[in-house]
Amino acid sequence: DADVTQTPRNRITKTGKRIMLECSQTKGHDRMYWYRQDPGLGLRLIYYSFDVKDINKGEISDGYSVSRQAQAKFSLSLESAIPNQTALYFCATREDMNTGELFFGEGSRLTVL
Amino acid sequence: QKEVEQNSGPLSVPEGAIASLNCTYSDRGSQSFFWYRQYSGKSPELIMFIYSNGDKEDGRFTAQLNKASQYVSLLIRDSQPSDSATYLCAATSGTSYGKLTFGQGTILTVHP
Repeated sequence: DADVTQTPRNRITKTGKRIMLECSQTKGHDRMYWYRQDPGLGLRLIYYSFDVKDINKGEISDGYSVSRQAQAKFSLSLESAIPNQTALYFCATREDMNTGELFFGEGSRLTVL
Repeated sequence: QKEVEQNSGPLSVPEGAIASLNCTYSDRGSQSFFWYRQYSGKSPELIMFIYSNGDKEDGRFTAQLNKASQYVSLLIRDSQPSDSATYLCAATSGTSYGKLTFGQGTILTVHP
C-alpha cells in the first residue's frame, strides 16, 4: 500500500459544486501539504499543516479550504468549484527537519466543467 | 518575482551529454534546496537535496549551491533517454518554517 494515499484519483465535476479531496498517510509525519500542478507552472502550494491545530496558507489558497482531521488525514475542499481550478492536485508529507524530503501521493486529477 | 525560478525549457540534449539545469531563488533565508524528477503522469520523486555551498555528487548527478548568488544547479552526466522528465527545483522558506516552494520546472529530453 502507498504511504500517502489520495482519493479520488480522478474527478469530473461541474461549476459551483463542492468537492473534497482526501489524503491519508502512514508515514507518521506531522507535516502535510497540498500542492496544485498546472502545465508550465510547476507545483504551487495551496495549504500546509504541522499538526491538527496548525494550518497555514500557501501561495494560492483563495477558493480552497482544508481540514486536518488527525495527524494522518488532511483534506482539501473546493467550496464552489470553478473551471480554472481544473488541475492535478498533490498531497505530500514531510519529516520535521529542514532537510526533510517531501513524499507525494499519486495525485488527484480534477476537471471542472 | 517568483520565489523560485528555473531556466526556461524545454531542454534537449543528446545521449551521453551533460544536461545542466538551473534555478535561482529570491529568499536569502532559504536553507535547503531540493531537486525532484517527475515523469509524465507520475508524482515527483527526490533526486538530491543540498544545503551547503559547493557541490554534492550522487552517481551521475551533481547539485551545486551558491548562496551568495542565490543559485542552485543540477548537472546530469552521461545523460540517458530514461532521464527525460520534468525537473523541479524547490527551496525552503527563510521566514515560514516548513514551507517548501517549487519552481515552474524544466522539461528535459535526452535523444538517442
